[in-house]
Amino acid sequence: NAGVTQTPKFQVLKTGQSMTLQCAQDMNHNSMYWYRQDPGMGLRLIYYSASEGTTDKGEVPNGYNVSRLNKREFSLRLESAAPSQTSVYFCASRRTASMLSGDTQYFGPGTRLTVL
Amino acid sequence: TQLLEQSPQFLSIQEGENLTVYCNSSSVFSSLQWYRQEPGEGPVLLVTVVTGGEVKKLKRLTFQFGDARKDSSLHITAAQPGDTGLYLCAGDEGYSTLTFGKGTMLLVSP
Repeated sequence: NAGVTQTPKFQVLKTGQSMTLQCAQDMNHNSMYWYRQDPGMGLRLIYYSASEGTTDKGEVPNGYNVSRLNKREFSLRLESAAPSQTSVYFCASRRTASMLSGDTQYFGPGTRLTVL
Repeated sequence: TQLLEQSPQFLSIQEGENLTVYCNSSSVFSSLQWYRQEPGEGPVLLVTVVTGGEVKKLKRLTFQFGDARKDSSLHITAAQPGDTGLYLCAGDEGYSTLTFGKGTMLLVSP
């Protein structure tokens, strides 16, 4: 049981290049999320998928696209990378909340992306 | 989008000291989570509080949810270097997403 896995762990891009960040979870969770984390800004939601076949914009979606390939996999694509997209990207999946336990998100180890 | 204000933003203390981190909002959350993030890793859930006034203890860490479910606090007793990390609170509005605070960076020196 690996939890949430992300690839790659590190990436350096030149401005204008494209790439896809991969995320997979083996906990049978319905909901998956992509965040970016920047110093002093906390975690900001880029896109999320509440269930297989659906995706929705979060707080900072511009410059990104997502694909919920199946229940396990949720990818994030940068079509034309910009230096402002230099960040650490985290994928997460969510255990369905109950009235007693509340919500829990499980995070991957992150992808550290630098755009030159 | 509801906002969660965390304070302080940064805390540097000596081993053995006590500390409290605060998480405040003007709105009500159905539950609130505390996560800890170590350098180079993703956040890991410490605790979820659901009921107003609830207090949960995790070894030397004590978490409290305000009576009105708008605020929460994390108290660490006798901090140790292993407690060093970024502490994040996150509020659940009952929808599909969580609202995260910006975090408190804790550094505990030996």
